[in-house]
Amino acid sequence: DAMVIQNPRYQVTQFGKPVTLSCSQTLNHNVMYWYQQKSSQAPKLLFHYYDKDFNNEADTPDNFQSRRPNTSFCFLDIRSPGLGDAAMYLCATSRDRREFQFFGPGTRLTVL
Amino acid sequence: SQQGEEDPQALSIQEGENATMNCSYKTSINNLQWYRQNSGRGLVHLILIRSNEREKHSGRLRVTLDTSKKSSSLLITASRAADTASYFCATDGGYNQGGKLIFGQGTELSVKP
Repeated sequence: DAMVIQNPRYQVTQFGKPVTLSCSQTLNHNVMYWYQQKSSQAPKLLFHYYDKDFNNEADTPDNFQSRRPNTSFCFLDIRSPGLGDAAMYLCATSRDRREFQFFGPGTRLTVL
Repeated sequence: SQQGEEDPQALSIQEGENATMNCSYKTSINNLQWYRQNSGRGLVHLILIRSNEREKHSGRLRVTLDTSKKSSSLLITASRAADTASYFCATDGGYNQGGKLIFGQGTELSVKP
């Protein structure tokens, strides 16, 4: 049974055209994370929610925003995608901050 | 700054051989975790080892942690072609990092049949 679901799996957008990626979880975990992963690199944390408490990483560009309307769903909004934003975007959840994380399959974003 | 650094960056072995991957980190930790990632997919959690533990086993996996050297190793015994993947260590950075995970660059393991 899928536990962390990401939609869509593949997303193509145009330079500057806003895009939203979605993540849902069936685990009822408190924490949800968004990572950006570029080819052959480590996942890079963009931000995370602890329940409704939003935590932004200092080096996450303002172009990236997130929403968590309820426990199950979390969205990543890229307001004006640039070519450098093409990457795999991974959503993850954990019961608490220091526990291991469950990852979704990722959304591969292409920017034309 | 990068918390976890992994060594080697790439490893190619024959099926049945053992694979050892190493991870070093810089600051104090509460726990260290190992993840696996198949090409183009999400990460899968393998093992979590806490700072007061020295060794942990799970099936064909063995993880060691040496907090005095700030290093960890992941051993996969009797490797299979299906073990081909990238392996990442991740540290939680201690209490002053809010418990977030910081990933190393990963080791790309190739197991040839």
